[in-house]
Amino acid sequence: GQQVKQSSPSLTVQEGGISILNCDYENDMFDYFAWYKKYPDNSPTLLISVRSNVDKREDGRLTVFLNKSGKHFSLHITASQPEDTAVYLCAAGDSGGSNYKLTFGKGTLLTVTP
Amino acid sequence: DAGVTQTPRHEVAEKGQTIILKCEPVSGHNDLFWYRQTKIQGLELLSYFRSKSLMEDGGAFKDRFKAEMLNSSFSTLKIQPTEPKDSAVYLCASSYWGGYAEQFFGPGTRLTVL
Repeated sequence: GQQVKQSSPSLTVQEGGISILNCDYENDMFDYFAWYKKYPDNSPTLLISVRSNVDKREDGRLTVFLNKSGKHFSLHITASQPEDTAVYLCAAGDSGGSNYKLTFGKGTLLTVTP
Repeated sequence: DAGVTQTPRHEVAEKGQTIILKCEPVSGHNDLFWYRQTKIQGLELLSYFRSKSLMEDGGAFKDRFKAEMLNSSFSTLKIQPTEPKDSAVYLCASSYWGGYAEQFFGPGTRLTVL
């Protein structure tokens, strides 16, 4: 089954609003969580990441919230802009055994309307 | 600095052919990843090398997919024999060694198998 799941394939938000993107995971051993952004016909780029020893990380308009007991993490984008329109991929990894591979969700298409 | 480069950018193959995709990681990066990207499955890990050693061979992709990394600056992904279901975008990514680091993705190779 899917180890990392983004249940919403798409989300539409008005300009200036808050975009909330969600990700659920199954593996208790995941200790690294990340969000990547992908424009159409482009490759993913890292937006923000957290380790499992923190519950929250802010970077400008972006905030990642981690709920380990619920096996859930989310990305909040405040003051959403049309240029935030893209596919957002969540990813998680388990560093046990020095294996730093990531498992990605299928992505959520965020559309920010003017 | 040059990013991750991939060649060719597009490949069209007949069913049953052998194709080889190429990747050059960012100079100095020790980790290299091959992914397959489709609309249905999203990003799936095919292979993962750390300092040229194979860390992960992608399980279900083992039978017809073979990645190699003969030196630290070049990797290949061979698909033999190709099947129409292999049509997808193949992405190569690299990152620094030493824990979880940002993965830098190449532009991808779009493979179409007829």
